[in-house]
Amino acid sequence: DAGVIQSPRHEVTEMGQEVTLRCKPISGHDYLFWYRQTMMRGLELLIYFNNNVPIDDSGMPEDRFSAKMPNASFSTLKIQPSEPRDSAVYFCASSSDRAGYTFGSGTRLTVV
Amino acid sequence: AQSVTQLGSHVSVSEGALVLLRCNYSSSVPPYLFWYVQYPNQGLQLLLKYTTGATLVKGINGFEAEFKKSETSFHLTKPSAHMSDAAEYFCAVSDLSRTGNQFYFGTGTSLTVIP
Repeated sequence: DAGVIQSPRHEVTEMGQEVTLRCKPISGHDYLFWYRQTMMRGLELLIYFNNNVPIDDSGMPEDRFSAKMPNASFSTLKIQPSEPRDSAVYFCASSSDRAGYTFGSGTRLTVV
Repeated sequence: AQSVTQLGSHVSVSEGALVLLRCNYSSSVPPYLFWYVQYPNQGLQLLLKYTTGATLVKGINGFEAEFKKSETSFHLTKPSAHMSDAAEYFCAVSDLSRTGNQFYFGTGTSLTVIP
C-alpha cells in the first residue's frame, strides 16, 4: 500500500490566492482527517469525514477554509483567499477504526 | 471528554541513556492509546499502540510503553537512546464515545539526543 498520499509537498502562494491541498487516503479506510500543524498551536484537527460525509468541522478556522470528499479515494482542503497566517504544514490522515491513524507526509504551505 | 497531557515539551538525554517521555490521559471510556513519532519535515508515524490485552506494548525502534490504568498514564521508554531517536513525539488517545473516530493528541515532546 502506498499510504496516504498528499499533494503538493510544498506550496508557496501570494496572499489572496486560492490554495487547494489534496489527499488520497488508504484504500478501505472510511475515516479521513485534516490537521494543521504550527509551532504556536501544535496539531489542530480541522475537519474529519466518515464515509465521505463531514462529521465535525468545528476546527475549521473560518469561512475561508472548506473541505470536500467527493469519493472514498479523494479529498481536498481549499483556502480562499489565503492569508500569511495560514502558513503551516497541513496533514491528511486516514483510519478504519480506533486502531490508529496513518498520516500523509504533509503539505508545507507558505503564504507570502 | 478525552484529553492527553505530555509533561515536558523538551527532553534531552545523552546517547545511550534511558529515554522516558511522559503521557497522562483522561478518558470516560476504556482508552486506546498511541505514541507517534515525527522526524523533521516528515509526517507522523505510528510508534506503538495499546488497545486491549497486555499492558506493556512494544513498538518500533526499541520503544515500549506501559498502560497503567491506576495512574492514567502511558509513558514511553527506551533503554538506550540513539542519535536517530531525535524527533518530536506525540501521545494520543482515541475516542469512540462520540459519533466518529476522533483522536486527541498531546502537545508533543521534542527529544534531543546529546552525543
